[in-house]
Amino acid sequence: EADIYQTPRYLVIGTGKKITLECSQTMGHDKMYWYQQDPGMELHLIHYSYGVNSTEKGDLSSESTVSRIRTEHFPLTLESARPSHTSQYLCASSEGTRSDEQFFGPGTRLTVL
Amino acid sequence: QKEVEQNSGPLSVPEGAIASLNCTYSDRGSQSFFWYRQYSGKSPELIMFIYSNGDKEDGRFTAQLNKASQYVSLLIRDSQPSDSATYLCAVTLVKGGFKTIFGAGTRLFVKA
Repeated sequence: EADIYQTPRYLVIGTGKKITLECSQTMGHDKMYWYQQDPGMELHLIHYSYGVNSTEKGDLSSESTVSRIRTEHFPLTLESARPSHTSQYLCASSEGTRSDEQFFGPGTRLTVL
Repeated sequence: QKEVEQNSGPLSVPEGAIASLNCTYSDRGSQSFFWYRQYSGKSPELIMFIYSNGDKEDGRFTAQLNKASQYVSLLIRDSQPSDSATYLCAVTLVKGGFKTIFGAGTRLFVKA
């Protein structure tokens, strides 16, 4: 079973606040990903990392930023939350050497008022 | 043309029937193919992967890959109401540095 964790699971916050969504995995995976998904809609890749000190923007433009200082930790930060940021944020990781089988965390449901 | 395409559905099948889910991809050099299941309000979970042409069976699930036609499918035999979910096809593209692209998903309803 995949060991990938996200906190908080639910967050309701006011416009303009700075927030950080946490993602941690204990599998030693090099690759980590952040996806955004609205209810009933498709996954959109917003950030990914292939290892420590490596971060890339995904296909969907996002005002968030990420960091990868440790292998197991891949936090996502919004400097100033807006109602348009309301969505489900999913973190995933994969071993990445032979195949990109991705294991997903439980997600953070963010609501910006 | 999207890099990974799926019929959004919904696909409705009676309990006990075979559900057939289809996916096409654009990058002929793609090497790895995955099927994920996502229940409403939950995260995707990997159920099958396939790398070689042909069929791969795991319990009630069979993944089929045809690289010449750039087509991958998932068959669910003896469908159960608990199989009702959205099924996501994912393909690791060679172009763009081995990036995995998810399809938009097919919603499956299994009627009791």
